[in-house]
Amino acid sequence: GAVVSQHPSRVICKSGTSVKIECRSLDFQATTMFWYRQFPKQSLMLMATSNEGSKATYEQGVEKDKFLINHASLTLSTLTVTSAHPEDSSFYICSARPPAGNQPQHFGDGTRLSIL
Amino acid sequence: GEDVEQSLFLSVREGDSSVINCTYTDSSSTYLYWYKQEPGAGLQLLTYIFSNMDMKQDQRLTVLLNKKDKHLSLRIADTQTGDSAIYFCAENPSGGYNKLIFGAGTRLAVHP
Repeated sequence: GAVVSQHPSRVICKSGTSVKIECRSLDFQATTMFWYRQFPKQSLMLMATSNEGSKATYEQGVEKDKFLINHASLTLSTLTVTSAHPEDSSFYICSARPPAGNQPQHFGDGTRLSIL
Repeated sequence: GEDVEQSLFLSVREGDSSVINCTYTDSSSTYLYWYKQEPGAGLQLLTYIFSNMDMKQDQRLTVLLNKKDKHLSLRIADTQTGDSAIYFCAENPSGGYNKLIFGAGTRLAVHP
């Protein structure tokens, strides 16, 4: 079945550091990937839609300069949290859809980001 | 607007059936999904149903869709301790072919 790999699974770093999270579709090409943020005991909040070869589409209230998204190939999207601060600590999850037909989104295992 | 609502908590005895309910607002949603999240993990797709279907069964899982009432349910037969997790209902609203709107999640606790 479709598999989405996310790396790293956990990051702990100091305030002011930039952190890059990778999302890979392992057995299909994904022209579109999605980045979500999940706060403790809450639902997933869509941050942005990552489009291969073009700019990402950000949801209202999400800072583009804070959360940089690059989708350079059909199997890889990256999310960079720039100059991270403690309030950026969260669980970040990516997903991707196989392109054929009405396929559901498949999710990575998430990245737990802790900013000290 | 787009909104998906779920009850937050469900407790069942091992071996019993669990029923998790969900209501959504966009009647044009093409697909409706159930995802499972275990602690510290991402979301695992359990099942999904096309909007022109009333029911879909897959082993222990049964999905019922009442499109008139915009109500979706997930029934887990013979619930096991390994089913303890958070279950998210999601809709795929019109105008956003790829966009998913999630409910808050229902925490299922299975006790002996």
